[in-house]
Amino acid sequence: NSKVIQTPRYLVKGQGQKAKMRCIPEKGHPVVFWYQQNKNNEFKFLINFQNQEVLQQIDMTEKRFSAECPSNSPCSLEIQSSEAGDSALYLCASSLNSGNTLYFGEGSRLIVV
Amino acid sequence: KTQVEQSPQSLVVRQGENCVLQCNYSVTPDNHLRWFKQDTGKGLVSLTVLVHENDKTSNGRYSATLDKDAKHSTLHITATLLDDTATYICVVGSNTDKVVFGTGTRLQVSP
Repeated sequence: NSKVIQTPRYLVKGQGQKAKMRCIPEKGHPVVFWYQQNKNNEFKFLINFQNQEVLQQIDMTEKRFSAECPSNSPCSLEIQSSEAGDSALYLCASSLNSGNTLYFGEGSRLIVV
Repeated sequence: KTQVEQSPQSLVVRQGENCVLQCNYSVTPDNHLRWFKQDTGKGLVSLTVLVHENDKTSNGRYSATLDKDAKHSTLHITATLLDDTATYICVVGSNTDKVVFGTGTRLQVSP
């Protein structure tokens, strides 16, 4: 069973508000991914880290999100100014290395009203 | 164009029946293909990973095949249980960090 812990499970934000989600990866996993799953079950890769360093991120993440994975603290993903289209399930996954199985958390469901 | 296509989109079976889920993809490179189970509103749980041409895996009542030439995978669930009701997602990727997700097959197991 995965031990990737995501908080909060749910958050409701108004448009323009910040929305912050956290993720504690599985112990010993240096690689962390964030994905967005929309209501149509479409997944969008947002960003990934190896230890504290950003490996890759998409343009949207770079412009509108703030993300980090500090040592000895949970990883976080924060939308600086929420938009209606940001309503989705945000999934964090960790892995031992890029070729290994991804272990997913339960997700943080964001609703932007 | 969708790079990972799953079929059927949804499926209803009776408890105890077997079912087969399909995944066709056009992703390259296709070093790994994984099947995940997602209960409603929850995270993804890994069922199996396929790596090599003509790989076959088995994990309890779940078994999967991969045909890399045809870029096609199947997930077989035998003797379905009510708890198998979920969305099954096919994910294809390389050894690097980009993977492509299918939109899943919604399986409902009825009593």
